[in-house]
Amino acid sequence: NAGVMQNPRHLVRRRGQEARLRCSPMKGHSHVYWYRQLPEEGLKFMVYLQKENIIDESGMPKERFSAEFPKEGPSILRIQQVVRGDSAAYFCASSPLTETNTEAFFGQGTRLTVV
Amino acid sequence: AQKITQTQPGMFVQEKEAVTLDCTYDTSDPSYGLFWYKQPSSGEMIFLIYQGSYDQQNATEGRYSLNFQKARKSANLVISASQLGDSAMYFCAMRGGATNKLIFGTGTLLAVQP
Repeated sequence: NAGVMQNPRHLVRRRGQEARLRCSPMKGHSHVYWYRQLPEEGLKFMVYLQKENIIDESGMPKERFSAEFPKEGPSILRIQQVVRGDSAAYFCASSPLTETNTEAFFGQGTRLTVV
Repeated sequence: AQKITQTQPGMFVQEKEAVTLDCTYDTSDPSYGLFWYKQPSSGEMIFLIYQGSYDQQNATEGRYSLNFQKARKSANLVISASQLGDSAMYFCAMRGGATNKLIFGTGTLLAVQP
């Protein structure tokens, strides 16, 4: 059973370009979280998704950021018109359920660098 | 609103000694889960231990134990017999609230010295 797969592992974008980060959850997991980690900082919650449904997007910036988790295929975090401040590690995690006692399993992260 | 607080940015511990990493939380929900994750320098997030809000006993997993004091809203991680490989960033996390989202503290960087 493969773990949570994120790709690409490293992504370099010029200012103004779009960044697309992909996350394939563990088999059987229908819930996905996205987090952002700035250097020397903790994980900031961005969005919590279930297939075809956004459960909680309270951590998502109001502009340029969007996320989806379609019925088929990976979850996508999209950042439009990237700026230098978007440079960070973006982690995806998945869980099979939404219960409080269910841990989330993390991918290796995507390191986005905006130049 | 839920909140997780880790007040120790960094900690040193001698190899083979025990160390306690602090974590306090704030929530008005009666049902929640508390987690600890380890992030080594390679960057991956490794789940360590879980404590449920209704659990009567403190959770233990090998050298990891969770000192859960519900009235004080604290969930400190205790690592016994520290090893050099324990040097990493440690994050406390909580799951609960209306949407059961998982939120993290700012982390504690642990350095184990030989």
